Amino acid sequence: QKEVEQNSGPLSVPEGAIASLNCTYSDRVSQSFFWYRQYSGKSPELIMSIYSNGDKEDGRFTAQLNKASQYVSLLIRDSQPSDSATYLCAVAGVGGATNKLIFGTGTLLAVQP
Amino acid sequence: ETGVTQTPRHLVMGMTNKKSLKCEQHLGHNAMYWYKQSAKKPLELMFVYSLEERVENNSVPSRFSPECPNSSHLFLHLHTLQPEDSALYLCASSPSGQAGRSYNEQFFGPGTRLTVL
Repeated sequence: QKEVEQNSGPLSVPEGAIASLNCTYSDRVSQSFFWYRQYSGKSPELIMSIYSNGDKEDGRFTAQLNKASQYVSLLIRDSQPSDSATYLCAVAGVGGATNKLIFGTGTLLAVQP
Repeated sequence: ETGVTQTPRHLVMGMTNKKSLKCEQHLGHNAMYWYKQSAKKPLELMFVYSLEERVENNSVPSRFSPECPNSSHLFLHLHTLQPEDSALYLCASSPSGQAGRSYNEQFFGPGTRLTVL
């Protein structure tokens, strides 16, 4: 069983729409959750981190966490073509592995002009 | 620019060569990581160093040898690689438990694109 699961996509949305990216994780006691954006040929860039249940907003980005459902999502409002990238969900390990992030395979987002 | 640099950015090597990848972080972090990223696969954690001590080694073949001389520098020494080792090698750093900081937030360098012929 995969530890962090994401739909690989591509998720295609029109410019100006809301893009919704989803991620589920298997380790119930995970405490830290991250979204990275990775443009083609580039390295991952941290865009959001969330530690508590609920919503966290930063500009056009909103991260949502539901620990009971083991589910984390990223909403991108007013999507722009420049948002087209692969979005990686990452979950922090627990116990002695607190430095260890487990990544999903990523969701490719394509914003159509 | 995340404050993490990697050199070289591109590397082509034969299976009998020995080369080294270098990573340097200017963020004052005390944990550093090596990841491998291959097409269609999740990022694979290779090694973790915390306070210059290796704390994680994810069953990586011995042809990959890490070195962390201080908290700002990390190396990955390569020898006798195989073509399947061709990938993007990423270095990252994080605060790792320093008071008042988000210790799991990892920041990546630009990566080294490695091709093994």
